[in-house]
Formats: sequence, C-alpha cells, structure tokens
Amino acid sequence: GAGVSQSPSNKVTEKGKDVELRCDPISGHTALYWYRQRLGQGLEFLIYFQGNSAPDKSGLPSDRFSAERTGESVSTLTIQRTQQEDSAVYLCASSLGYPPDAFFGQGTRLTVV
Amino acid sequence: AQSVTQLDSHVSVSEGTPVLLRCNYSSSYSPSLFWYVQHPNKGLQLLLKYTSAATLVKGINGFEAEFKKSETSFHLTKPSAHMSDAAEYFCVVSDSGGYNKLIFGAGTRLAVHP
Repeated sequence: GAGVSQSPSNKVTEKGKDVELRCDPISGHTALYWYRQRLGQGLEFLIYFQGNSAPDKSGLPSDRFSAERTGESVSTLTIQRTQQEDSAVYLCASSLGYPPDAFFGQGTRLTVV
Repeated sequence: AQSVTQLDSHVSVSEGTPVLLRCNYSSSYSPSLFWYVQHPNKGLQLLLKYTSAATLVKGINGFEAEFKKSETSFHLTKPSAHMSDAAEYFCVVSDSGGYNKLIFGAGTRLAVHP
C-alpha cells in the first residue's frame, strides 16, 4: 500500500482481556518497529523486526506483550490480560533497511477500562 | 547502548524569531540521527536525517541540524519560526552496528507565539 496501515484505529477493552493490534507495513520494507506512546510522552521502543533475523524484543515491558511478523509482511502485537497502564497509542513503523528512514502509521489508540 | 537526551521539554518562541531545539546522543557505533515532528493529532513525519555524509543537514520546512561528533550533539535549528511549526519534535538515534532500532528522545514541545 501507499503507507503503513494500522488497525483498529481505536480499541476499548476491559481490564483482563487480550487484544491484538495489526500493522501492514509498506510493501518491500524489511524492517518493522512497534512503539508505545503514552499521553503526553515520548515514544517507547517495544520490538524491532529486520528481515529474517531474530527480532529485538528488548523493549517489551512484560511477558504479557508479544509480537509476530511473517516474513516481510503483516505484524501483530498481542497484549494479554490487559491492564489500565497499557492504555496508550501503539505506533508501527517500517523502513527499507539502512539508513532506517522509518515511515509511521497513524497508530492504534488502546483504552483499557 | 544508544540513547538520546533532549535538553528542553518545552521551548517557546515568537513568530519570526530563530528556533533552537537541543539534542545530545550516546552511541557505541557511528550513529544515524534523525529529527521527527508530530503535529497535534497527526502522525510522525521525518524532518531530516544524518547518515555520515555532510555534517550540516537540511530538512523540510526550512529546518536544519548540525552533527557535532566532538560534542555528541545534533541540534535542530530554523532561522525564522512560523506559527505552523508548533508541534512536538523528537530527536532519534540509530546505531549503524547490526540492529538499526530507532531510539527516541523524550520530545520537545515547541510553542510559537504571534
């Protein structure tokens, strides 16, 4: 597609439920990133995929968070047993490689009630 | 490990006056450095990037940044602020060694007054 697409754009869920967020990167982009942005704050790195290499999961805040990517296509970020502190905008970005000029999606706004 | 420090959380300028947003970085390898802008309720947009070519980098909307290795700085400047420049600005670093994850600074909110 023309840009990075994320779905859903908004998600309201009850505490304790699992959620799945989707990211469709720009076609041909080998790298994919997930970030979290809490209200009024900067971007917190979560996970990074580069081609077929093992992902860099060093930013995942707990074992409730996981992400998958099949090849150089769609990625899903899963949050299990959601907590109120998980409320944030989750941003996905993709890039061709190096230098990593990242193109960002519009984000998924997650609200845990 | 790579990291970024944005020295000011808020900067306020008058329209038509210069803008300076400060950024210092730490990197184990030759870094790539970026500035991104985030306007209210809009997505992140790349302003400019440094990738070991010219140390003075020009970006969109009249913004520039200078890479100073001796000072580990990558400050963002613009000669004359416009009302439309009001936004959140993020300095970003990426190591060239191996993984290229992008590490964001905490951001600087720029306010422009008439």
